[in-house]
Amino acid sequence: DIQMTQSPSSLSASVGDRVTITCRASQTINSNLNWYQQKAGKAPNLLIYTASSLQTGVPSRFSGSGSGTDFTLTISSLQPEDFATYYCQQSYSTPRTFGQGTKLEIK
Amino acid sequence: QVLLVQSGAEVKKTGASVKVSCKTSGYTFTGYFIHWVRQAPGQGLEWLGWINPNTGGTNYAQRFQGRVTVTSDTSVNTTSMDLIRLTSDDTAVYYCARDIRRGSGSYIDFWGQGTLVTVSS
Repeated sequence: DIQMTQSPSSLSASVGDRVTITCRASQTINSNLNWYQQKAGKAPNLLIYTASSLQTGVPSRFSGSGSGTDFTLTISSLQPEDFATYYCQQSYSTPRTFGQGTKLEIK
Repeated sequence: QVLLVQSGAEVKKTGASVKVSCKTSGYTFTGYFIHWVRQAPGQGLEWLGWINPNTGGTNYAQRFQGRVTVTSDTSVNTTSMDLIRLTSDDTAVYYCARDIRRGSGSYIDFWGQGTLVTVSS
């Protein structure tokens, strides 16, 4: 199975900050990497697919980059509604593994 | 619009089985794989498996092989997930979710609302 490791596991930041979350795969996954946002009590919501493509309706302050084994999710200017937990997921092979999550909290 | 509506919460005894259903609408049911993903309380997301509703073909995570079965009924656009020999570690919210293919990979674009399964002795 491909292991996905996110860092950090938690992060405190302020509205307006630029934030970067990283995700590393245990083997190459090309660009088969997706990012999801999850708020408490809700299902996850797709933000970025195939490493860098912004899902329709997602604000442009979210961006993704990377290929191979190392990926990043960047939020250019944090908004109050962005405080949530973020997960990466590889779609290179089955099982479709997720990172352990990064909880983004208000400083 | 695309909707995935899951069955209601379940409370089960250790050793029992559970069936969670996921009724879809707003798109061609046979055109998209359906994933099953779970989330234990306070924990991350865990993939259980998927089904191709067009062929009935399935793929399960190794750790759930022999305990999980996913089926689909094209007459009612519904997929179901059966999990047997439940333990307290199976207490979680279970999600169905629609898969979109892109090149060699895929992503999930729509999720069900989640079904809480609670296992107790």
